[in-house]
Amino acid sequence: NAGVMQNPRHLVRRRGQEARLRCSPVKGHSHVYWYRQLPEEGLKFMVYLQKENIIDESGMPKERFSAEFPKEGPSILRIQQVVRGDSAAYFCASSPLLLQGSNGNTIYFGEGSWLTVV
Amino acid sequence: GDSVTQMEGPVTLSEEAFLTINCTYTATGYPSLFWYVQYPGEGLQLLLKATKADDKGSNKGFEATYRKETTSFHLEKGSVQVSDSAVYFCALRSMDSNYQLIWGAGTKLIIKP
Repeated sequence: NAGVMQNPRHLVRRRGQEARLRCSPVKGHSHVYWYRQLPEEGLKFMVYLQKENIIDESGMPKERFSAEFPKEGPSILRIQQVVRGDSAAYFCASSPLLLQGSNGNTIYFGEGSWLTVV
Repeated sequence: GDSVTQMEGPVTLSEEAFLTINCTYTATGYPSLFWYVQYPGEGLQLLLKATKADDKGSNKGFEATYRKETTSFHLEKGSVQVSDSAVYFCALRSMDSNYQLIWGAGTKLIIKP
């Protein structure tokens, strides 16, 4: 997986609690992306961040979800007041350069964080 | 908009059988095409990719050829093993989708000994 580290790997939360998912990109990568994989579906883009900036959050639900990538430390995906429909695998990815069009730049994925809301 | 369509699973084969998992796409321009694999309980791994028409990506005995005329990127392997059991995702990246990537729904492959 070329060094993208996600934790926790598995997280169980009761409805109404908060979930925090962490992602450390490959060393030297400044572009971080979060995707969500619902059961039996492909991945869906959520948000793209660079250090201290949210560049594109068009795939993020408008409420309860937020993301950050601080100057120091990992990127955090935060889900407040979780509901059963938030149960999914959340994947973080990073790249050394911005992925644009069909350029050959490679994106590296973490192993994912599986959130289960009970 | 861009889209990717994969054959539905699960696909169940015996060991040493020939594998084809179909993937077709719609996209503007000339997208890059990818196959990712997800083994049980693990994250996504890039299996192979192709960035222009007629390119053939290959890795671990898997191959896929970028066919612009049929807008396809079918995954093939001549002789599958039990260890190939996983979910396979086809994805594309184009001028419109950029880093968002567009993913197929995934095809679960089950190989029986």
